[in-house]
Amino acid sequence: GEDVEQSLFLSVREGDSSVINCTYTDSSSTYLYWYKQEPGAGLQLLTYIFSNMDMKQDQRLTVLLNKKDKHLSLRIADTQTGDSAIYFCAENLGSGGGADGLTFGKGTHLIIQP
Amino acid sequence: NAGVTQTPKFQVLKTGQSMTLQCAQDMNHEYMSWYRQDPGMGLRLIHYSVGAGITDQGEVPNGYNVSRSTTEDFPLRLLSAAPSQTSVYFCASSEQARTTEAFFGQGTRLTVV
Repeated sequence: GEDVEQSLFLSVREGDSSVINCTYTDSSSTYLYWYKQEPGAGLQLLTYIFSNMDMKQDQRLTVLLNKKDKHLSLRIADTQTGDSAIYFCAENLGSGGGADGLTFGKGTHLIIQP
Repeated sequence: NAGVTQTPKFQVLKTGQSMTLQCAQDMNHEYMSWYRQDPGMGLRLIHYSVGAGITDQGEVPNGYNVSRSTTEDFPLRLLSAAPSQTSVYFCASSEQARTTEAFFGQGTRLTVV
């Protein structure tokens, strides 16, 4: 069955880079996602990567995908206090990343130290 | 544009009571789903729908019913609430096929005592 694994916590100093790692098991996933959840809020899509890509960069965010090892990472450059949140890695079960079937990791709580 | 709206935001139920969590979206999305979020468990799919009149079970469907009579609404019913159903519930919607984003509601925090 599908399973997505993440570390539960990551602590970084403000201004440093944060790297959040994720491993997944379903090699047929077409898209892989990073969602952000701020306290008391729903999930918001941060970025995604198509499975035929190795890397995607979007401003301070860099996503790296290693399909051979089924490893996905999210790097946040120049981490700010506003980046403090829970970050979820997710893969699709169905034909896309739609609401019919995302499999989520347990989430990584990013803690920013001043 | 309201996006995905869930009501209520908070609810306390007694064991055995029934209730319906409401979810509505105004984006004309075909796909809708319900997830529950528990500490240390991430989000788990309860039920989903790929269009009006079509629903299917997700990973943890027991104790929950859904229906999809319109494109806009996807209510989740708890027939006889149990303490194990204490959780935060999220509704999500997305366009029909090969989309890259699911839009989430703000969540409903349910406590069953």
